[in-house]
Amino acid sequence: AQSVTQLDSHVSVSEGTPVLLRCNYSSSYSPSLFWYVQHPNKGLQLLLKYTSAATLVKGINGFEAEFKKSETSFHLTKPSAHMSDAAEYFCVVSDRTNAGKSTFGDGTTLTVKP
Amino acid sequence: DSGVTQTPKHLITATGQRVTLRCSPRSGDLSVYWYQQSLDQGLQFLIQYYNGEERAKGNILERFSAQQFPDLHSELNLSSLELGDSALYFCASSVGQGTGTDTQYFGPGTRLTVL
Repeated sequence: AQSVTQLDSHVSVSEGTPVLLRCNYSSSYSPSLFWYVQHPNKGLQLLLKYTSAATLVKGINGFEAEFKKSETSFHLTKPSAHMSDAAEYFCVVSDRTNAGKSTFGDGTTLTVKP
Repeated sequence: DSGVTQTPKHLITATGQRVTLRCSPRSGDLSVYWYQQSLDQGLQFLIQYYNGEERAKGNILERFSAQQFPDLHSELNLSSLELGDSALYFCASSVGQGTGTDTQYFGPGTRLTVL
């Protein structure tokens, strides 16, 4: 069984300040982990993914995430928020042994204040 | 633009009716995934097809069914619709059979409203 918990349903930051979106996961096997972003009325877009290579993963638009097995976490960070980062973010865990069945977190809404 | 297309964009229908949602994957992708996104349940995986065969099943109701055709497009059929079926339905595609490392590319979604 696998699960994912996004610890904050809403995060608000000021433009130019750091972003931290937290994600904890549970998986019986070695998981793959993903972060997706969804802008209003749009489909989901992949930001980055971890698939057992480097634990620090760099993604698009300046985002990165670090896989910490001991803490079962995969937090998403960005040094400096942009207005265009305002969106909903989903952390996803995928079981590599179960046909890649994916479990999505409930999402974190990021608001960026000018 | 992810390269995944979904039609229609919006669908309004009545309870008890049946609808069909269509998805065309990215060129070269063999897997198609269906998801339901609603306010109360979040994003739920429904079903996956790989090269025409069902590969994985999630929280799909018996009133719902899907298939993937030889040209790799997929259809999601929803029948005996209820108010609670109102949601955004996303299709995604990936190159591989979904071993857990595949990147899924999402379409723009179909918004279904059941009145």
